[in-house]
Amino acid sequence: DAGVIQSPRHEVTEMGQEVTLRCKPISGHNSLFWYRQTMMRGLELLIYFNNNVPIDDSGMPEDRFSAKMPNASFSTLKIQPSEPRDSAVYFCASSEGGVYDGYTFGSGTRLTVV
Amino acid sequence: DAKTTQPNSMESNEEEPVHLPCNHSTISGTDYIHWYRQLPSQGPEYVIHGLTSNVNNRMASLAIAEDRKSSTLILHRATLRDAAVYYCILTSISNFGNEKLTFGTGTRLTIIP
Repeated sequence: DAGVIQSPRHEVTEMGQEVTLRCKPISGHNSLFWYRQTMMRGLELLIYFNNNVPIDDSGMPEDRFSAKMPNASFSTLKIQPSEPRDSAVYFCASSEGGVYDGYTFGSGTRLTVV
Repeated sequence: DAKTTQPNSMESNEEEPVHLPCNHSTISGTDYIHWYRQLPSQGPEYVIHGLTSNVNNRMASLAIAEDRKSSTLILHRATLRDAAVYYCILTSISNFGNEKLTFGTGTRLTIIP
């Protein structure tokens, strides 16, 4: 298995532009999670899906952030418009059944907004 | 979820055992203990989890105190590749269907060659 696949690995964009991060979870995994990591705030859970349905989006910082999971094999996290404070590493993780099955994380997307 | 406390950093010599402590004095009877680690420039990686009994897997062992107010992750023979930030996390089964991993600041483990 190729694991959780995230793209792009690196993204540099100008303030005000739309950014879309992509994630392909492990086949057969029912739960998908988006995290953000910064030096100041550490790893923060933004949103998670169960069977393609958003369960908890309380970690999404602002309306500029949105996430979708149109099918079991694909999810996007969109930031529109982007701001310099959105610069971070964004991780996607998937799990077969939740915390008790362990999460598998992708390699992350390093986003820089200038 | 109950809070955990870990040392900010630890050092250990290569090829020696490492004991990473975690205090969780407010743990409840339904809280599971999870350990993840994050190698440099990578996403977190599952290590082990348990409820009451000690647990072993190919990566590590988890020793849980009898009163469950603390636990220790044991790496039996540290290698340079074990240098990482180790996170101890609690989740409550009372939140069944809505459990989620909330990461703290973890312990940065340095392995000395």
